[in-house]
Amino acid sequence: QKEVEQNSGPLSVPEGAIASLNCTYSDRGSQSFFWYRQYSGKSPELIMSIYSNGDKEDGRFTAQLNKASQYVSLLIRDSQPSDSATYLCAVETGGTSYGKLTFGQGTILTVHP
Amino acid sequence: SQTIHQWPATLVQPVGSPLSLECTVEGTSNPNLYWYRQAAGRGLQLLFYSVGIGQISSEVPQNLSASRPQDRQFILSSKKLLLSDSGFYLCAWNQGGNTEAFFGQGTRLTVV
Repeated sequence: QKEVEQNSGPLSVPEGAIASLNCTYSDRGSQSFFWYRQYSGKSPELIMSIYSNGDKEDGRFTAQLNKASQYVSLLIRDSQPSDSATYLCAVETGGTSYGKLTFGQGTILTVHP
Repeated sequence: SQTIHQWPATLVQPVGSPLSLECTVEGTSNPNLYWYRQAAGRGLQLLFYSVGIGQISSEVPQNLSASRPQDRQFILSSKKLLLSDSGFYLCAWNQGGNTEAFFGQGTRLTVV
């Protein structure tokens, strides 16, 4: 069974702090990794994609990938109350020609003023 | 630019009634199309995916079916709904070779 594991939280951080979200996956053949943000009652929104080992930065967001450890993380710098949401880790399975994504259960992040 | 439309936004249906949810994508051709379901407080479960017209793969056995009558149209159906079919249904698309997936606004289905 191909799995993606996330700490469900909730993770609570003060405004302005760094929020760190973690994800592990079981399929060593996975090549593509994504972070989605989902506000309550809304559909998931893609915020980061990462394909190679190392860090990828986009504004206040940094995704980190370590394929040897089968670990992907998301850092949110200068966290804002508007970042409060559920963050879903998604891992591509089934081969790149299909792009099927397996999702973790999500981590609930709360940023308090 | 590409957009994805999904409707209706909310739906309340009695047990045993039929279901039809529709999803269309604009601004691209030959997309991969997906139906996911999200139960309350849970992650997303892949139900069906399609890589072309008439090509449907089912991920889990269930009371639902899917069809792709046109290149950019994906339909989720049921002949008789069960209480356990309640959930948040999401259509998504991506392009072959680029696996970033984008979601429609979702349909919240309540079976009563």
